[in-house]
Amino acid sequence: GAGVSQSPSNKVTEKGKDVELRCDPISGHTALYWYRQSLGQGLEFLIYFQGNSAPDKSGLPSDRFSAERTGGSVSTLTIQRTQQEDSAVYLCASSLARTNYNEQFFGPGTRLTVL
Amino acid sequence: AQSVAQPEDQVNVAEGNPLTVKCTYSVSGNPYLFWYVQYPNRGLQFLLKYITGDNLVKGSYGFEAEFNKSQTSFHLKKPSALVSDSALYFCAVRVREGGGNKLTFGTGTQLKVEL
Repeated sequence: GAGVSQSPSNKVTEKGKDVELRCDPISGHTALYWYRQSLGQGLEFLIYFQGNSAPDKSGLPSDRFSAERTGGSVSTLTIQRTQQEDSAVYLCASSLARTNYNEQFFGPGTRLTVL
Repeated sequence: AQSVAQPEDQVNVAEGNPLTVKCTYSVSGNPYLFWYVQYPNRGLQFLLKYITGDNLVKGSYGFEAEFNKSQTSFHLKKPSALVSDSALYFCAVRVREGGGNKLTFGTGTQLKVEL
């Protein structure tokens, strides 16, 4: 079946502009995660959605970052007034959330470059 | 707080030789432990996980990992490496009880298998 998809695959923007990154999770997966992968720094947790519960936003680095998940499926990560340090690969993952040891399935990522 | 350490940025091994990629963790409580692999220009793929029970866990592509509670380690191993195993490997930890939804990743180890 289809895996997690993300769009765009690459995004180049100018400092100060807003960007939106999209994630389509695997159908039936109620948990959705956003991570940021920077060179040499592993994966940094950003935000977690589970069903209709309030999202866990504890990893968002600043108030310029926000995310929504509409209808329990597609999610959009928005970065306002982008800065050069926002340049990274943004990864989305989904999982069945019946237990907290279910593995996460990752999308291919969006590579964001802020000039 | 929970954390993962992957002490080696890169591991080089000859094809046919055994390989080990090291991982140690720190959690307040009992851990769930995971290994993921990232091939070039592709998303992370789940390899294996430790939940409970047998300390030796077997996963995809002939990989295995051994949970060692006294040493707080979860090293990834394979008896005979293949060139196609060359990739970036991430260890991750999640605390079982009361840890919220956060999966904490290490910084990754680049495995290079040469002929």
